[in-house]
Amino acid sequence: EPEVTQTPSHQVTQMGQEVILRCVPISNHLYFYWYRQILGQKVEFLVSFYNNEISEKSEIFDDQFSVERPDGSNFTLKIRSTKLEDSAMYFCASSELLAGRKSYNEQFFGPGTRLTVL
Amino acid sequence: KNEVEQSPQNLTAQEGEFITINCSYSVGISALHWLQQHPGGGIVSLFMLSSGKKKHGRLIATINIQEKHSSLHITASHPRDSAVYICAGDFSPSGTYKYIFGTGTRLKVLA
Repeated sequence: EPEVTQTPSHQVTQMGQEVILRCVPISNHLYFYWYRQILGQKVEFLVSFYNNEISEKSEIFDDQFSVERPDGSNFTLKIRSTKLEDSAMYFCASSELLAGRKSYNEQFFGPGTRLTVL
Repeated sequence: KNEVEQSPQNLTAQEGEFITINCSYSVGISALHWLQQHPGGGIVSLFMLSSGKKKHGRLIATINIQEKHSSLHITASHPRDSAVYICAGDFSPSGTYKYIFGTGTRLKVLA
């Protein structure tokens, strides 16, 4: 069964360093998402991406964050200058285009990348 | 504002008990996704439902769109069911494709 994959599973970095989190969405999916979960808190939306541009972003997704689809398979989240409060689990998700067979938007989640900023 | 609320936040049960976790949401939802999160942090999909009821093994999920409420039931609970259960709303009728997540219910099943 196709699945969303994420690398690395764990990333430890020093404050101020840049990190890139990588995701490979399910191949025929067209919508991509990043969410994060700070330890002990609920999962929060960061950004959605469709047709090579940001579709929607939250107030968390400030200028320090960027997303890219550098090729036909990868979807990346870059944090330019990490802060302590960026420590969290980051989940990538993907979904098919809403129109067509389904009347709802089912998202498929990757296993997450645990980011620790020291 | 699109919101999802879950209850209870924490639940401890004895092995074999019937468990119910509740999720309520604001207007505009087209479907609800029930997810399971284990201590390692990974998220596993359980059910996505837009109406009625779905069953998989000992897990049953129901949704009442008009009452804006969904429940996840676990029959004959087992210690391996211990996890965090999360509901997430698909608010795409409101023009957004992001999920809105509930706070999660931490379930512990004792042997």
